[in-house]
Amino acid sequence: AQSVSQHNHHVILSEAASLELGCNYSYGGTVNLFWYVQYPGQHLQLLLKYFSGDPLVKGIKGFEAEFIKSKFSFNLRKPSVQWSDTAEYFCAVRGGNTPLVFGKGTRLSVIA
Amino acid sequence: GAVVSQHPSWVICKSGTSVKIECRSLDFQATTMFWYRQFPKQSLMLMATSNEGSKATYEQGVEKDKFLINHASLTLSTLTVTSAHPEDSSFYICSARGGGQVAGGPHEQFFGPGTRLTVL
Repeated sequence: AQSVSQHNHHVILSEAASLELGCNYSYGGTVNLFWYVQYPGQHLQLLLKYFSGDPLVKGIKGFEAEFIKSKFSFNLRKPSVQWSDTAEYFCAVRGGNTPLVFGKGTRLSVIA
Repeated sequence: GAVVSQHPSWVICKSGTSVKIECRSLDFQATTMFWYRQFPKQSLMLMATSNEGSKATYEQGVEKDKFLINHASLTLSTLTVTSAHPEDSSFYICSARGGGQVAGGPHEQFFGPGTRLTVL
């Protein structure tokens, strides 16, 4: 069974700082990888996803993620965060035809 | 497209009562639906997977007699929390996955807005 590890529990950044959130997964076969965001009081929204092809994936709101197969990683990045990026970020993995498995999430707090 | 709705969005009930939560795929046929549970400040934990017309598959540690799941049609799944107790208070989120005709293809799961259950 697959598992997902998000190393950062809570990240605090100033506006305009660069962001990188780590995500590592455990699964031996082909995977689909996702990053979801959950703004305070709202439901999950898909930021970006990787199925195949270019390992550098661009998503909404200026986010991108890079799939590094050799490292089993799918880190999320944004060059310059805004206050409105304050949210909980979840990495998720799907192996084969299985349901999505989520990491524990990383809370991002952006301060002015 | 690919919208998933849940009803109710929040519910408060007394201990011992049963609560039904509906999950609907509004513009696509959901061959598979998933029910997740999210505790405060924690991640989503998969409770069960249901395919239309067949019995749900429950994750280890989830009581199937406690959390009844019915996926009677391709657009509707229900989760019934039977004899609810305060420890069942949580945020319940459904997710649906359709066939190849859905935007994003068969690989993507679409999430409902969640139902907050509070058991007094």
